[in-house]
Amino acid sequence: RKEVEQDPGPFNVPEGATVAFNCTYSNSASQSFFWYRQDCRKEPKLLMSVYSSGNEDGRFTAQLNRASQYISLLIRDSKLSDSATYLCVVNQAGTALIFGKGTTLSVSS
Amino acid sequence: NAGVTQTPKFQVLKTGQSMTLQCAQDMNHEYMSWYRQDPGMGLRLIHYSVGAGITDQGEVPNGYNVSRSTTEDFPLRLLSAAPSQTSVYFCASSRDGRSYEQYFGPGTRLTVT
Repeated sequence: RKEVEQDPGPFNVPEGATVAFNCTYSNSASQSFFWYRQDCRKEPKLLMSVYSSGNEDGRFTAQLNRASQYISLLIRDSKLSDSATYLCVVNQAGTALIFGKGTTLSVSS
Repeated sequence: NAGVTQTPKFQVLKTGQSMTLQCAQDMNHEYMSWYRQDPGMGLRLIHYSVGAGITDQGEVPNGYNVSRSTTEDFPLRLLSAAPSQTSVYFCASSRDGRSYEQYFGPGTRLTVT
């Protein structure tokens, strides 16, 4: 089983749609969780950290389920500018971060 | 602040050549790391450093060396380039490797022929 798994997509949605991405991780000792965004041919950038109680940042909501080792990202009212690859990131014991392969989102008008 | 800078942006090498990818950060971050990104493989950790003078191997260290003589710089050396090392290389830094945001450089696109 891969350490961090994501559905690669692509997810093709119209503007205004709500879309959800899921991610599972294999190391139950993982402590920190993040969603990064990567635009085509650019470097990854932090979108949001994921907290145990769940957290929201504008149109973006992240949830963590430690029992199921599952993380989600919900995007409401999708914009064209949300088109990107979304990377699920989990910390491994020690100092290494493990990146999922990413889920590609394409928002069309 | 420049953040994390990488040079060169593009590089073409012949098999067997060696070179150094440069990475520097001006945020006084202790933690620095190198990743490679290949289509369908995601980001894979090559080497990382938790502070000056301390380095460790990541998931795919073979064929690469690193050193950390200063807090600011973390160069990645390819000892004898192979076509399998064709990839996009990202350097990143953060306050620590676990819970703080990682800042990435713009990447180096390397082709080995």
